[in-house]
Amino acid sequence: GENVEQHPSTLSVQEGDSAVIKCTYSDSASNYFPWYKQELGKRPQLIIDIRSNVGEKKDQRIAVTLNKTAKHFSLHITETQPEDSAVYFCAAKDSNYQLIWGAGTKLIIKP
Amino acid sequence: DSGVTQTPKHLITATGQRVTLRCSPRSGDLSVYWYQQSLDQGLQFLIQYYNGEERAKGNILERFSAQQFPDLHSELNLSSLELGDSALYFCASSPSSSGNTIYFGEGSWLTVV
Repeated sequence: GENVEQHPSTLSVQEGDSAVIKCTYSDSASNYFPWYKQELGKRPQLIIDIRSNVGEKKDQRIAVTLNKTAKHFSLHITETQPEDSAVYFCAAKDSNYQLIWGAGTKLIIKP
Repeated sequence: DSGVTQTPKHLITATGQRVTLRCSPRSGDLSVYWYQQSLDQGLQFLIQYYNGEERAKGNILERFSAQQFPDLHSELNLSSLELGDSALYFCASSPSSSGNTIYFGEGSWLTVV
């Protein structure tokens, strides 16, 4: 079955710098890759997603890239701000239409 | 507000007891998912229901059970509770059984003492 690995588990960056979180997946049939942001004690919320027929998608300071050949996708956050501090989860939809989740990355923005 | 409603928000109970968590999906959504999140841990998928039928099962313990009712709300029953069951339990919903985007509720905090 599908397996999603997410790295790093913790990422600390200076405010204003960029942050990159990477996920790899194993099921080549996976075709949908969302990213969720979870602030402390809150619910996970979708921030961006990408389908397998595109290689990149942007939404203001957030972008996601997908490399189907290498089976990895990444979240890029530019000009990081204190409110970007949260746990970020990637996921991949497998051939059984189930979302398989990464373990999460704790992003810390240092002032 | 995601439109997914969970009750109760907080619950404290003793070991060995049984509790029921309730979830109302977004209007029009037919799929309901339950997740468990222990402190500083990831999202553990428990079970999915679609239009009243079990659709997928994850790492759900035999002490736990769930159902989805004709009005599409869902309940997660946790019995013979142990200290390790203390966690945040999320319900999520999506329009279809293979829904791409799922929308999470605010969660139910369960503390077992």
